[in-house]
Amino acid sequence: EDKVVQSPLSLVVHEGDTVTLNCSYEVTNFRSLLWYKQEKKAPTFLFMLTSSGIEKKSGRLSSILDKKELFSILNITATQTGDSAVYLCAVEYGNKLVFGAGTILRVKS
Amino acid sequence: DGGITQSPKYLFRKEGQNVTLSCEQNLNHDAMYWYRQDPGQGLRLIYYSQIVNDFQKGDIAEGYSVSREKKESFPLTVTSAQKNPTAFYLCASRPGQAIYGYTFGSGTRLTVV
Repeated sequence: EDKVVQSPLSLVVHEGDTVTLNCSYEVTNFRSLLWYKQEKKAPTFLFMLTSSGIEKKSGRLSSILDKKELFSILNITATQTGDSAVYLCAVEYGNKLVFGAGTILRVKS
Repeated sequence: DGGITQSPKYLFRKEGQNVTLSCEQNLNHDAMYWYRQDPGQGLRLIYYSQIVNDFQKGDIAEGYSVSREKKESFPLTVTSAQKNPTAFYLCASRPGQAIYGYTFGSGTRLTVV
């Protein structure tokens, strides 16, 4: 059965900390892995990863994919309270996108 | 501005009633999707459509129905056969040959009363 597993399920840190969120997957016909941030309603797109070992960066966020070990990490450095959200990992295979349960991140000031 | 519009934002339904959730996009995207999100769970795929007049069941299609008569529109009907319909419903779309992430609507929260 195809699945996507995220860890940890929830995390509380202080402003300025660095966090690493994990996503492992088991799917056939892998096409891409995507990260989204969900604050209240619509998930907003962060990264799409298709190739192993190539880090993608956007400000304080970065992500990398390991297609051999079937996992991805999302790093957030110098966290801010505005980073508090649910972070969703999703894997695209065939014409479908399957999501993990998400990691709830809370950044305390 | 281009985007996806879901309506209504909040919907209350009595048990035994069918309700239809609207999803409209002006992005000229070929593919559209419906997801359901429950507390503590990720998004689960209900139905998806790659082209007009064609759609496929996702992982949890039982109790739901869809139509795709126009490229811009992909309404979802929650029927009385859906045993636990209270949830947050998200619609998404993407271009036919996707090299970018999916675009999501702002969701409809359905509550059965």
